Formats: sequence, structure tokens, C-alpha cells
Amino acid sequence: DAGVTQSPTHLIKTRGQQVTLRCSPKSGHDTVSWYQQALGQGPQFIFQYYEEEERQRGNFPDRFSGHQFPNYSSELNVNALLLGDSALYLCASSYGGTSEKLFFGSGTQLSVL
Amino acid sequence: AQSVTQLDSHVSVSEGTPVLLRCNYSSSYSPSLFWYVQHPNKGLQLLLKYTSAATLVKGINGFEAEFKKSETSFHLTKPSAHMSDAAEYFCVVSLLGRGGNKLTFGTGTQLKVEL
Repeated sequence: DAGVTQSPTHLIKTRGQQVTLRCSPKSGHDTVSWYQQALGQGPQFIFQYYEEEERQRGNFPDRFSGHQFPNYSSELNVNALLLGDSALYLCASSYGGTSEKLFFGSGTQLSVL
Repeated sequence: AQSVTQLDSHVSVSEGTPVLLRCNYSSSYSPSLFWYVQHPNKGLQLLLKYTSAATLVKGINGFEAEFKKSETSFHLTKPSAHMSDAAEYFCVVSLLGRGGNKLTFGTGTQLKVEL
């Protein structure tokens, strides 16, 4: 039973570029949440997708957008990258639109130069 | 607004001695509280969850936490530390919004276990 898988594991971009991160949820899960974890900090909630819609959003600008596909996988897109976007991006899956029991992937480490 | 405060950024213990990781919460109503652990290069893993059924919650790997409303605390403990417990630990509160609930993480406590 595959857990939550994220790709790529590492990514280097330059300021102003755009990036797309991908996530496949754990088998049987239909909800995907995205978190940003800056170095030395706890994860910060970006948004959650359920039934192919953004259901909740944290305090992140519109440069951060996402999508959920019919197979429940999800993408996180970040436009006009800033140096401050450098972080570990974590995907978590769950069932039924809740966050009561999240399963996390190992993350994508994004470096913006 | 709901939030959690982890009182120690770093805790160091000797193997075989007790572990205490402190967390205080702020909430206008009875919260759902969690502890997650993050080992290097691995995803976050749920240790335990409190949802008002019982104030003492037992989790995986011998960890437990006690919900104390009078002290607004949810400290994580383990009677005897093992080398494999060395990791980052996060206290988390669940915030219920219009679209469902989302998790708010504390800043983390790095646990070091020495021989």
C-alpha cells in the first residue's frame, strides 16, 4: 500500500520563475492538503482540496494555486517565485474532507536562488 | 484564534530517562490537539490525538499526553527515552473553518537523546 508520494524531491529555481509540485495521496484517501515548512519552523497550512475544489485556504498570496484531479492527486503551483518561497513543501492526504488523521509525504525541497 | 506554543525549542535527555515536551494551547472552545513527529528526511507522523474522549491519551512508541484544561496544556511524555526517539516534535491544534478543519502547528521541539 503506497503512502503519500511527492515529486520531485528537490528543485532549484530562480526568482520570478514558476514551479509545479505534485502529490499522490495514500490509497483510499480523497483529500489533499498542502503545507509550507520554512527552515526551523513548523508547517504552515496553504490550502486543502476535496472533491476537486479548494475547500480551505491559509494566509498565502494568490501566487500559490492548486488543482485536484479526478484520481485525487494534486498539484501545487507557485508563480513569480521569491527568495522567501524557499522551503520544504509537504503534501498530506486524508479522507472525507477532514484533517483529523493526516498522512504526510516526505516533501519537496524547493530552493529559490 | 486558536494557537499552540511549544515552550522549548530544544530538549536533550539521556537514553533511558523520561521525556517531557511542553505545549500550551489557546482556544475559545474545546480543541482537538495532536502531536506529530518528524524524523530527518521523512514525512510527519501522527503520534497521538486528543478529541475530548479521555484526558490521558496514549500514542505510538510509548508516548502519551495529558490534556489539562485548567492549565491549557497538552504536554507529551515518555517514561524512558530511546535513541530512535531523536526527532522534531510538533504540537498541533485543529481549527474548524467553513470548509472543514485545518491544522495549526507549533514551532517544534528538537529532541536529542544521548547515550
